[in-house]
Order: sequence, then structure tokens, then C-alpha cells
Amino acid sequence: VQLVESGGGLVQPGGSLRLSCAASGFTFSNYNMNWVRQAPGKGLEWVSYISSTSNTIYYADSVKGRFTISRDNAKNSLYLQINSLRADDTAVYYCARESAGIFGVALTDWGQGTLVTVSS
Amino acid sequence: EIVLTQSPGTLSLSPGERAILSCRASPSISSSYLAWYQQKPGQAPRLLIYGASSRATGIPDRFSGSGSGTDFTLTISRLEPEDSAVYYCQQYGSSPPYTFGQGTKLEIK
Repeated sequence: VQLVESGGGLVQPGGSLRLSCAASGFTFSNYNMNWVRQAPGKGLEWVSYISSTSNTIYYADSVKGRFTISRDNAKNSLYLQINSLRADDTAVYYCARESAGIFGVALTDWGQGTLVTVSS
Repeated sequence: EIVLTQSPGTLSLSPGERAILSCRASPSISSSYLAWYQQKPGQAPRLLIYGASSRATGIPDRFSGSGSGTDFTLTISRLEPEDSAVYYCQQYGSSPPYTFGQGTKLEIK
């Protein structure tokens, strides 16, 4: 399993970015996916979830209305469109794969993250 | 929204000792939806425990999870220097948002 994020960078407040996560080593279309972020020196914050078929999508309140999660199963890719960026959106953004076992469900696989810095 | 509160904030122990990390949920959650992650500096999080007590693939049996309802525990036996990390609990798969606790930093002296 490999998850590789890209698309991060320095952006001005109010700007936009599109993050991508390229998946390989598994059948991407069978798995629900998530974005999780971590501000510098801070803890983990769950951002968004998308089901395998894109039928179900959830967002954290802190990003609702500004972020849009999507996926392209034909391209084995997950995306996060982030608009109206604010300084407190500065973080490393991770994509993570959900897996379900007999006794529960969790984020079993993570990418290495892509850094988004919002600054003028 | 389910709030997870972890304690202590920082734990400093010696090699060979046992660490006990707490995660309290409000309101209560099914144990099926409680996971623990380890994160070392500069690295992505790694899943340790899911379903409150099931070890993820490749996780040594020094790591164990327990609990139900509102109180969950991660126990690390026979501490090794490489166990130095921040540990997070997360409620995932029940009702969004899929919140994390604020983390416990474990230092090995």
C-alpha cells in the first residue's frame, strides 16, 4: 500500500489549492478515504471523509463550505480542493485509508503528507 | 460531537517500565470505533490498536488496548527507547466528526 500526497505549497490568505493523493498497491475503488491535517507543533485533526463510491461525504465544521473532497477511482486518486485559505489552515495534510477488521474500523494506512502554508 | 480527552499530557518513564495512557470519551462510544495511533517526529501516524483492543498488523504484543464506553486505555509494556512518541486516540466510524484526542507525549528517559 502506498499513498503519496502532492499539491501543497505556499499560498496567500484567501487563495486556493488542490491537494492530490495517488494510491497504489491496493484496489482503490474498494476503500473509503480520509484527509487528516496537523498544524505545526499541534495534534491531529480529522478533516474529511469520502466513501468508496463518493456517495457519502463528511467534513469537519472548521472546513465545511471551504474544502471539497473528491476522488477518481479510474485514476486511483483522492483530492482535496481547499478554498478561502486562512492562516489556521497551515498544516501538513495527510491522506489516509480506512480498513475494517472483524473487531473494528480505523485508518490503517497513511501517506507522508504535504505541507500547506498560508501566509502573505 | 464526541470529545476525546487524553491523559496525562506527558509521561516520562524508563526503559523496561510500563506506560498506561488514558482516553476518555464524551459521550460514550462503541469500542468498535476507538483506535490508537503512534506518531514519531517527522513521520506520519501509525495505527497501533483498532476496535479498542485489537492490534494492527505488525504491532508487537507489548502494545495492548482495553476499555469500553467512556474509558479506554493503551498499555505499553517493557518500554523501549523507540517507543518515544506522541500517542493519539481517535473515534472513527461512528458519527462524524471523527475526532482525535489531544495526544499524550511519551518520553523514555
